[in-house]
Amino acid sequence: EDKVVQSPLSLVVHEGDTVTLNCSYEVTNFRSLLWYKQEKKAPTFLFMLTSSGIEKKSGRLSSILDKKELFSILNITATQTGDSAIYLCAAQKTSYDKVIFGPGTSLSVIP
Amino acid sequence: GAGVSQSPRYKVAKRGQDVALRCDPISGHVSLFWYQQALGQGPEFLTYFQNEAQLDKSGLPSDRFFAERPEGSVSTLKIQRTQQEDSAVYLCASSSPAPPGGAYEQYFGPGTRLTVT
Repeated sequence: EDKVVQSPLSLVVHEGDTVTLNCSYEVTNFRSLLWYKQEKKAPTFLFMLTSSGIEKKSGRLSSILDKKELFSILNITATQTGDSAIYLCAAQKTSYDKVIFGPGTSLSVIP
Repeated sequence: GAGVSQSPRYKVAKRGQDVALRCDPISGHVSLFWYQQALGQGPEFLTYFQNEAQLDKSGLPSDRFFAERPEGSVSTLKIQRTQQEDSAVYLCASSSPAPPGGAYEQYFGPGTRLTVT
């Protein structure tokens, strides 16, 4: 059965801290790994990773995929209160791009 | 608008009532997905359409759930005889089909929060 696991499930940090969110997956016919940020509404897209070892960056956020170990991390440096959200990891399959989501990591950044 | 829209945004139903949730995908997007997201959980796949064809409905939790996309654009998710465990946010997403060897992002609507009392 396809499965995506995230850790930790929740995290509280102070502004300025750096955080690392973890995602592991066991998915047949894997195509790509997706990261989303979800505040009190629909998930918004952060990254799509299809190749191992190539870091993707967007401002203070970065992510990398290890297809051998079936693992991805999302790093956030110099966290701000606006980073508080649920971060969802998802594995996209080759069959019509079906997406399997993990449970999410709830990040709270306190001043 | 340019994004995926869903209506209603909030729905309160009494147990046993039928509800219909609507999704307007991004114009031209062939693929449409429905997800159910319970509080504190990630979205769970319900069903997938390619144009008007429902190619996967393996995630629908019971035969009380029914989805359609008759003209290949707007989709409706219908829940009959609602139960309290149906309370969740129902998300719709659309995408273009991925090219060979590539992948396409799914664009999500704002969701419909269904509360069954």
